[in-house]
Amino acid sequence: SQKIEQNSEALNIQEGKTATLTCNYTNYSPAYLQWYRQDPGRGPVFLLLIRENEKEKRKERLKVTFDTTLKQSLFHITASQPADSATYLCALRTNLYTGNQFYFGTGTSLTVIP
Amino acid sequence: DGGITQSPKYLFRKEGQNVTLSCEQNLNHDAMYWYRQDPGQGLRLIYYSQIVNDFQKGDIAEGYSVSREKKESFPLTVTSAQKNPTAFYLCASIRQGAGQPQHFGDGTRLSIL
Repeated sequence: SQKIEQNSEALNIQEGKTATLTCNYTNYSPAYLQWYRQDPGRGPVFLLLIRENEKEKRKERLKVTFDTTLKQSLFHITASQPADSATYLCALRTNLYTGNQFYFGTGTSLTVIP
Repeated sequence: DGGITQSPKYLFRKEGQNVTLSCEQNLNHDAMYWYRQDPGQGLRLIYYSQIVNDFQKGDIAEGYSVSREKKESFPLTVTSAQKNPTAFYLCASIRQGAGQPQHFGDGTRLSIL
């Protein structure tokens, strides 16, 4: 089965620094990978998507990279702010013709310290 | 504004009791999903439905049942056969097509009395 691993420990960084979160996967080749933000007691909110044939995507202070050889995606938040503190989830969608399922990582808790 | 509404926010179940979690969406999305979230385990798929009157089991369907009689609604029943139902339950929907993100409700937290 698909296995997706994210930074297992909580990540604490100083305000203004760049936060880098890791998502590693095994087995199937993903059609695309998504990143979500989840606040306590709330549902995840979509942030960014990157396709298997893309190396990098950016949106404002967010950047996602995708290395299908390493089977890894990196999620960067530049100029981090305390408001960025949340849990970040990566989700992988496999071949569109094998089903409509998404596989989620366990999430990384990020705390930005003022 | 369009979105997904889950109710109730908190739910308590007695031993041997079935409970139903509500999920309604007004996004006109075809596919809907139910996930269970436990601490340190991420989201696990219970059931999903791509069209009305059709649904598929996910990885942890045992002890759960669903129905999809209307496009807007996808209720989840946690039956007494589910021995460890305490968790945070999330409903999601998605527009068909490549690259579409999932839209989530704000969850229902189920606890056992």
